[in-house]
Amino acid sequence: RKEVEQDPGPFNVPEGATVAFNCTYSNSASQSFFWYRQDCRKEPKLLMSVYSSGNEDGRFTAQLNRASQYISLLIRDSKLSDSATYLCVVYTGGFKTIFGAGTRLFVKA
Amino acid sequence: GAGVSQSPSNKVTEKGKDVELRCDPISGHTALYWYRQRLGQGLEFLIYFQGNSAPDKSGLPSDRFSAERTGESVSTLTIQRTQQEDSAVYLCASSLRGGEANIQYFGAGTRLSVL
Repeated sequence: RKEVEQDPGPFNVPEGATVAFNCTYSNSASQSFFWYRQDCRKEPKLLMSVYSSGNEDGRFTAQLNRASQYISLLIRDSKLSDSATYLCVVYTGGFKTIFGAGTRLFVKA
Repeated sequence: GAGVSQSPSNKVTEKGKDVELRCDPISGHTALYWYRQRLGQGLEFLIYFQGNSAPDKSGLPSDRFSAERTGESVSTLTIQRTQQEDSAVYLCASSLRGGEANIQYFGAGTRLSVL
C-alpha cells in the first residue's frame, strides 16, 4: 500500500460545479498535511495547509479526518482556472514529506 | 533572487553522457530537496539536505546519481552515464527548515531528455 494515495481522476466538471477530492495516508503518526497545485508543465505550488479543525480559503475548503486517515479538498463554484493537478502532501516526521501522485481536474465551460 | 532557481531549464544529452543540474535555493532556507517527475507521474523523492547535516540519500535510484550541497547554498545533482530512463523533469525545492510544518517552494525544474 502506498503511503499517500489519491484518485488520479481525471475529474471533468462544468464551471460552477462543486468538486471534492480525498487523499488517504497510511502512517497514523503523520503530523502535517498540505494541498499543492501543479499546472501542466509547471512546478507544484502550495494551495493550502490542512489544519485539524479544517480550514477555508475562499472557494477552497480543506478537512482532516485523523480517525479514518484522510484529508479532503472541496472546491466550490469551479472556475476554468482551477484546472490543474492537485497534490496531497503528508509530513510524517523528521524530514520526510510524501507527495501523492495527484488528482487531475478539468473544468469546462 | 525571490524564488528557487534551477538551471538549465532544459537539457538534451546523449545516452552515456554525464549531466549536472543546479539548484539555487531561497536565501535563508536550510532545507533543500531534489525530486524527479516522469511524464504524467507524481513526484519521486531523491535526496534531502538540511543545513550541515549528512544528507538523506535514500531516494537516489542508483549509484549513477549523486548530489552535493555546501552549507545552505547551491546544490548540484549529477547523473553519470545517463540512460533513456533518466528522462524526466528534475525539481528542486527549499524550505525554511526541515521537519514539521515545512512548506516547500519549488523551482521551475530542469527538463532532461536523454536520446
